[in-house]
Amino acid sequence: AQSVSQHNHHVILSEAASLELGCNYSYGGTVNLFWYVQYPGQHLQLLLKYFSGDPLVKGIKGFEAEFIKSKFSFNLRKPSVQWSDTAEYFCAVNPSGAGSYQLTFGKGTKLSVIP
Amino acid sequence: NAGVTQTPKFRILKIGQSMTLQCAQDMNHNYMYWYRQDPGMGLKLIYYSVGAGITDKGEVPNGYNVSRSTTEDFPLRLELAAPSQTSVYFCASSSPGRGQGEAFFGQGTRLTVV
Repeated sequence: AQSVSQHNHHVILSEAASLELGCNYSYGGTVNLFWYVQYPGQHLQLLLKYFSGDPLVKGIKGFEAEFIKSKFSFNLRKPSVQWSDTAEYFCAVNPSGAGSYQLTFGKGTKLSVIP
Repeated sequence: NAGVTQTPKFRILKIGQSMTLQCAQDMNHNYMYWYRQDPGMGLKLIYYSVGAGITDKGEVPNGYNVSRSTTEDFPLRLELAAPSQTSVYFCASSSPGRGQGEAFFGQGTRLTVV
């Protein structure tokens, strides 16, 4: 079974600081990779996704993530965070191919941005 | 453009009571899921369904039951509620093929068992 590790439980940044949230997964085959964001009191929303092709993917609100296959990593980045980015961020993996339905989530990283 | 709709949003149950969390989606997705979210633990899959009449257990199914009589609806039943079932429950749906991992989530049900 696959697993996902997010290295930081809580990250505190000042506005305009750069962000990088780590995500590593363990799975021997090909995977689809996702970052979801959960704003306070809300449901999860898709931030960005990787299925294949260019390993650098861009999502909404200026976020991007880079898939490094050799490191089994899919780190999330943003050059300059805003107070409105305060949220919890979840990395998730889904094995590619037919019959693979389930998303496996990491435990999440809470981001607090200080104005 | 409703997406995934969950009811109720909040509920307090007494130990031993039962209830059904409702979930409906209007995107004609084959796949539906129930997750529970506990602080610092991420989301754990309770049950999932790949189509009407087909359900299967996820990682933490004990104490729950599901049914899938239609494509649209996927209710989650709690029998004999216990304090350990205090959590936030999210229903999600996705479509097969390339987009199968891209799940759309409902707003969640915050359940407290006292």
